[in-house]
Amino acid sequence: DVKVTQSSRYLVKRTGEKVFLECVQDMDHENMFWYRQDPGLGLRLIYFSYDVKMKEKGDIPEGYSVSREKKERFSLILESASTNQTSMYLCASSPTIGQGDHLFEAFFGQGTRLTVV
Amino acid sequence: GQQVMQIPQYQHVQEGEDFTTYCNSSTTLSNIQWYKQRPGGHPVFLIQLVKSGEVKKQKRLTFQFGEAKKNSSLHITATQTTDVGTYFCAGLRDSWGKLQFGAGTQVVVTP
Repeated sequence: DVKVTQSSRYLVKRTGEKVFLECVQDMDHENMFWYRQDPGLGLRLIYFSYDVKMKEKGDIPEGYSVSREKKERFSLILESASTNQTSMYLCASSPTIGQGDHLFEAFFGQGTRLTVV
Repeated sequence: GQQVMQIPQYQHVQEGEDFTTYCNSSTTLSNIQWYKQRPGGHPVFLIQLVKSGEVKKQKRLTFQFGEAKKNSSLHITATQTTDVGTYFCAGLRDSWGKLQFGAGTQVVVTP
C-alpha cells in the first residue's frame, strides 16, 4: 500500500518561530510537492521538487523554503511563521513515468493543520 | 499563467438526485485529473482523461473531457451519502508533472 506520511497532523506555533514540516514517501517517486489548502482557494503549489536537491518555486513560495536531501523526504520550512500562514499543508508525490491512465497521479499525505498564534 | 476554474463551488444535493460539476481552463490541457477529498481526509485520485472528447465511467460517476481539451465535467447519478466530499479537477501544467488545481466543488448530500 503506497504511502505519503507527514510528520504531524496538527501543529500550533508562535509568530516568528521557524517551523519544519516533514514528508516521507515510500514509493520511490521522483516528484514531490508541497501545497497549502485554504477554503475557496483549492490547492496552491508552494514548492516542487523533481529530484534530490532539485527544487522549483510554485505559485506562492514567499515565506517558505524546502529541502530535499534524500529522494524519499521533502521538508517544508517556514522561516519565520506568521499568522497568515495558518493553513492546511498537504504533501504529495508522483511518478514521472506513469502506468496506463495514471501518469503523474499524485499521492497525498494526510495533511498538517498548522495554526500560528 | 494557467487558470483552472471550477463551478459550482458548493453543491447541495438530495440523495438520489443527479448533479454535475464543471471545470474550465484558460489554456488547452494535455491531461486532466479528478480527485475526491472526503471531510477530514486528503485528496485521492479518481481518474485521468487525456484524449479530446474522452468519456470515462466509474459506476455512478461519468467524467468527460471537452473536444477542445479546455473543459471537463464530472456527473454523478443517483447521489448517495458516500458521495459527500470535495471534488477537485487538476490540469497538467508541464511535462514535469505539476498540476493546476481548481478550487473544488464541495458536495453535501441530504438523505
